[in-house]
Amino acid sequence: EDQVTQSPEALRLQEGESSSLNCSYTVSGLRGLFWYRQDPGKGPEFLFTLYSAGEEKEKERLKATLTKKESFLHITAPKPEDSATYLCAVQASGTYKYIFGTGTRLKVLA
Amino acid sequence: DGGITQSPKYLFRKEGQNVTLSCEQNLNHDAMYWYRQDPGQGLRLIYYSQIVNDFQKGDIAEGYSVSREKKESFPLTVTSAQKNPTAFYLCASSFEGEQFFGPGTRLTVL
Repeated sequence: EDQVTQSPEALRLQEGESSSLNCSYTVSGLRGLFWYRQDPGKGPEFLFTLYSAGEEKEKERLKATLTKKESFLHITAPKPEDSATYLCAVQASGTYKYIFGTGTRLKVLA
Repeated sequence: DGGITQSPKYLFRKEGQNVTLSCEQNLNHDAMYWYRQDPGQGLRLIYYSQIVNDFQKGDIAEGYSVSREKKESFPLTVTSAQKNPTAFYLCASSFEGEQFFGPGTRLTVL
C-alpha cells in the first residue's frame, strides 16, 4: 500500500536555528514527490516537485532533497514567518491520485 | 489573476440537509480534486476528475457526490448520508503533476 509518513509531528526552532523535516514514503513507482506549505485556515501552497533520487530544489531558505525512500526539507536560518505546517505528498506512476502525509507543524520563535 | 476559488468560506448546515460546495478554476487545468482535512490528519481524497464528464471515487467518497459538466467547475455535494461532515474541504487542480489549491471551505454541521 502506498504510504507517506512525516516526522516530526511538531518542531519548535529559535530564529536562525537550522533543521530538517523528514518525509518517508513507500510507493509502487514514484511519479513525483511534492512539498507544500499550509498556513492555518488556508489552502496548501505549492513549494517543490522532486522526480528522481538525487534531485534537489531550493527556494529562499528552503531546500528539498530526495532519495529512493525519503525526502528532506531543510530550513536554513529560519525566520518567524516560516512558521506553518509543511505537507509532503507522493504521486504513483500511472495514477492521478496524490497521497499526503499528516504534516509537520513548524513554529519559529523570534 | 489565475487561480482556484471556493465558496463559501464558512458554511453551516443542519443535520439531514444536503449542501453543495463550489469550486471554480481559470487555470485551464484538466484534472480537479476534492479533499477533506481534519485536525491532526493529512488530506484525504474524496473525488477526482481527470476530464470533463468523468470522475472517480477517492478513498472516502461515501456520503459525497460530484459533477464535472464544465472544465472550470467541480462542485461537491455533501449529502445527509455523510455521518461526520464537519471538516475543512479543499479543492485543487493539477497540471503536469503540480497541484494548486483553493482557499478552502469550512463546513460545520449544527
